[in-house]
Amino acid sequence: DIQMTQSPSSLSASVGDRVTITCRASQGIRNDLGWYQQKPGKAPERLIYDASILQSGVPSRFSGSGSGTEFTLTISSLQPEDFATYYCLQHNDYPLTFGPGTKVDIK
Amino acid sequence: EVQLLESGGGLIQTGGSLRLSCAASGFRFDDYAMNWVRQAPGKGLEWVSSIWGSGGKTYYSDSVKGRFIISRSNSRNTLYLEMNSLRVDDSAVYHCMIHPRWYGATSPLDRWGQGTLVTVSS
Repeated sequence: DIQMTQSPSSLSASVGDRVTITCRASQGIRNDLGWYQQKPGKAPERLIYDASILQSGVPSRFSGSGSGTEFTLTISSLQPEDFATYYCLQHNDYPLTFGPGTKVDIK
Repeated sequence: EVQLLESGGGLIQTGGSLRLSCAASGFRFDDYAMNWVRQAPGKGLEWVSSIWGSGGKTYYSDSVKGRFIISRSNSRNTLYLEMNSLRVDDSAVYHCMIHPRWYGATSPLDRWGQGTLVTVSS
């Protein structure tokens, strides 16, 4: 099975900060990775697919990069509505696996 | 508008069975593989099961293999999850979602249902 790790597990940041979250796969997954945002009590929503393609309707302050085993999600200027938990998901092989999540809260 | 709406959750005793449904609308349902994903209270996301658009292939996590059955009715635009031999650690919100993989590439379409809560008590 492909294991996904994320770092950090949580972070505190201020509005306007640049935030970077990293996801690592235990083996190469090409670019078969998506990033999801989840707010309390809500379903997750995809921000990025294929590691770097911005989902339609998602603000351009979100970006993704990486391929193989290391991936990053960057929020260029954190907005109040961005405080949430972020997950990566690999769909290169079964079982599909999520990272454990990164909670972004207000400093 | 693309929509997924789950139903069928509830409170059930250990060893019992439940059948979840996910009604899909706004897209060509039979063209997309679908997933069930669950989230225990206060925990992260866990993939449970996948099914091809045709229904011809299914996949399960080790934690549910042999107990859960995923199926679909393309004529009814509905996805199902039959859950048997339920355990306390199956308690979670169960979401249906459109599979990211689509004809060998990644689907630009992403949608999750709001989820249905399953609580298994001992």
